[in-house]
Amino acid sequence: KQEVTQIPAALSVPEGENLVLNCSFTDSAIYNLQWFRQDPGKGLTSLLLIQSSQREQTSGRLNASLDKSSGRSTLYIAASQPGDSATYLCAVRPGDSNYQLIWGAGTKLIIKP
Amino acid sequence: SAVISQKPSRDICQRGTSLTIQCQVDSQVTMMFWYRQQPGQSLTLIATANQGSEATYESGFVIDKFPISRPNLTFSTLTVSNMSPEDSSIYLCSVLDSRTSYEQYFGPGTRLTVT
Repeated sequence: KQEVTQIPAALSVPEGENLVLNCSFTDSAIYNLQWFRQDPGKGLTSLLLIQSSQREQTSGRLNASLDKSSGRSTLYIAASQPGDSATYLCAVRPGDSNYQLIWGAGTKLIIKP
Repeated sequence: SAVISQKPSRDICQRGTSLTIQCQVDSQVTMMFWYRQQPGQSLTLIATANQGSEATYESGFVIDKFPISRPNLTFSTLTVSNMSPEDSSIYLCSVLDSRTSYEQYFGPGTRLTVT
């Protein structure tokens, strides 16, 4: 059974720092992996999607990597800003016919001005 | 990408009443999902709603409590029936782009408080 873990659960850093959020999964047979952002009381915004055949994806200051063999993905945020404060969720789509995303519990990120 | 809107954005309801949440997508999608997120928790899938077939409910969710309609490829409703305070959550509509990337998109959510 696929399980997704995100460490740390919470992270507080000063503005301007580069940071890395971690996501690990137990079954390497995945279809894709998606990183989302959620602001308090709001819906989810898709940040980056990595297909199983890809190693990384970039969007602006965000870079997500995928290492299927080790069951890990990282989300790198460069030059962090207070507006980056949110909860970041990692979700894995299994490689079988099941379309359900398997969710991590999220990392709550606070960027201090 | 798909743009999803939900109505209402939030509501406060009394115990025992029902609320219907609407989800509108700006493009035709086959697979649509309804999720619940209780305070401080991660997302829980309620059901998958594909156009032209009955919704498929996850364990712990039943049609009598959460009836779903999917009349066409751009619209769906979720009703929360006979509400109790335990139903206080954010309800999220989501769609899957199964034509290309299998990227999943979410609506802004409906924040429900039951008193």
